[in-house]
Amino acid sequence: DAKTTQPNSMESNEEEPVHLPCNHSTISGTDYIHWYRQLPSQGPEYVIHGLTSNVNNRMASLAIAEDRKSSTLILHRATLRDAAVYYCILRRYGGSQGNLIFGKGTKLSVKP
Amino acid sequence: GAVVSQHPSRVICKSGTSVKIECRSLDFQATTMFWYRQFPKQSLMLMATSNEGSKATYEQGVEKDKFLINHASLTLSTLTVTSAHPEDSSFYICSARDSGTGGNEQFFGPGTRLTVL
Repeated sequence: DAKTTQPNSMESNEEEPVHLPCNHSTISGTDYIHWYRQLPSQGPEYVIHGLTSNVNNRMASLAIAEDRKSSTLILHRATLRDAAVYYCILRRYGGSQGNLIFGKGTKLSVKP
Repeated sequence: GAVVSQHPSRVICKSGTSVKIECRSLDFQATTMFWYRQFPKQSLMLMATSNEGSKATYEQGVEKDKFLINHASLTLSTLTVTSAHPEDSSFYICSARDSGTGGNEQFFGPGTRLTVL
């Protein structure tokens, strides 16, 4: 599976938007971009995923660059409960579906 | 979203004993389940892939005789840490793929905190 690069940490103020970047320059055509987040002492929680087009759901939005070599997870209004480690993961779909391999992620702190 | 449960949530055991951790998919069937391990301040590390009715596939460096995995049904996988030692103390997290959606959706359990004295 192709690797991703994320900043180690980011800070945000409560109720402000947060843009979490992810670089994946070696992404292949069958790799989907997944985002998970992990709150302290909990298992990871699915946030969003996409292939080429931007995606929106109740939790967040995913903006994917036209060349797919980078993407940005957007939290529209950060809350204190959004403080977590956010993981950007590439997963290959198809006949031999790839596993979710976690990198170090971005630790998001939200200030009141 | 779909729910994955783990039992127990935390366990403390003596060195040399074996510990079994259960992972259940509560409202979906999972042909494939995964076991991860996470040490403090580190990321999740994939230990093995568990396939219902067949042998698990272990990642490089993970001892299959020490970490026994059984996936006897479409909703249950177990991880047994045999002859546990203090260095096995970690946060163990299971994950399950929803077979009904073609395996595209994957959900995680809440984790099991193992402490070996």
